[in-house]
Amino acid sequence: GAVVSQHPSRVICKSGTSVKIECRSLDFQATTMFWYRQFPKKSLMLMATSNEGSKATYEQGVEKDKFLINHASLTLSTLTVTSAHPEDSSFYICSARDNVPRGDGLNQPQHFGDGTRLSIL
Amino acid sequence: GESVGLHLPTLSVQEGDNSIINCAYSNSASDYFIWYKQESGKGPQFIIDIRSNMDKRQGQRVTVLLNKTVKHLSLQIAATQPGDSAVYFCAENRAGGGADGLTFGKGTHLIIQP
Repeated sequence: GAVVSQHPSRVICKSGTSVKIECRSLDFQATTMFWYRQFPKKSLMLMATSNEGSKATYEQGVEKDKFLINHASLTLSTLTVTSAHPEDSSFYICSARDNVPRGDGLNQPQHFGDGTRLSIL
Repeated sequence: GESVGLHLPTLSVQEGDNSIINCAYSNSASDYFIWYKQESGKGPQFIIDIRSNMDKRQGQRVTVLLNKTVKHLSLQIAATQPGDSAVYFCAENRAGGGADGLTFGKGTHLIIQP
């Protein structure tokens, strides 16, 4: 259970192109999803929190007009990198957390997709 | 600066031995901590978690220990196997019921020697 699917897994495109990445929770519903960015041999950095039916919350320093987030349903969030440039090349990873509370009193953990490797030429 | 960090970037252990991966955090308001395993080219995989009102939780071959006094978190893996080779991240959830995203530590690369 708790499978998160991310698509595409890899994108190579020219500078100036806009790229859309999809994040789906396959077997659970998620009011909240998260988008992270990871550079080679580095840790994950939270970019934004995606909320179903409302605007995303962006972390400090993340341009909301550059990274458009849409969370139109309880199982799908999308991240669009607009007018991508080489400095946007990175590994983008989404996560989702099940809405259903756990029975043991702990938080529902975030489950991650397998990431999208974006390369801008 | 970062509120979660790791003591060692690489840890090498013999197959079958136990391993301990350490993590220090600085945000005393954090109330939930998670360990993730990340294999090359993949997303992080949930291993085990713990709340701030606990000091120990056990799973299958894994144990997480939390010492709030010194803000220290550790992951113990028993009887390591080749498949345990990966980068391990600790992560903390900012206090607030789990609605916020996670702050990740730098990661420890665990290498299992045959």
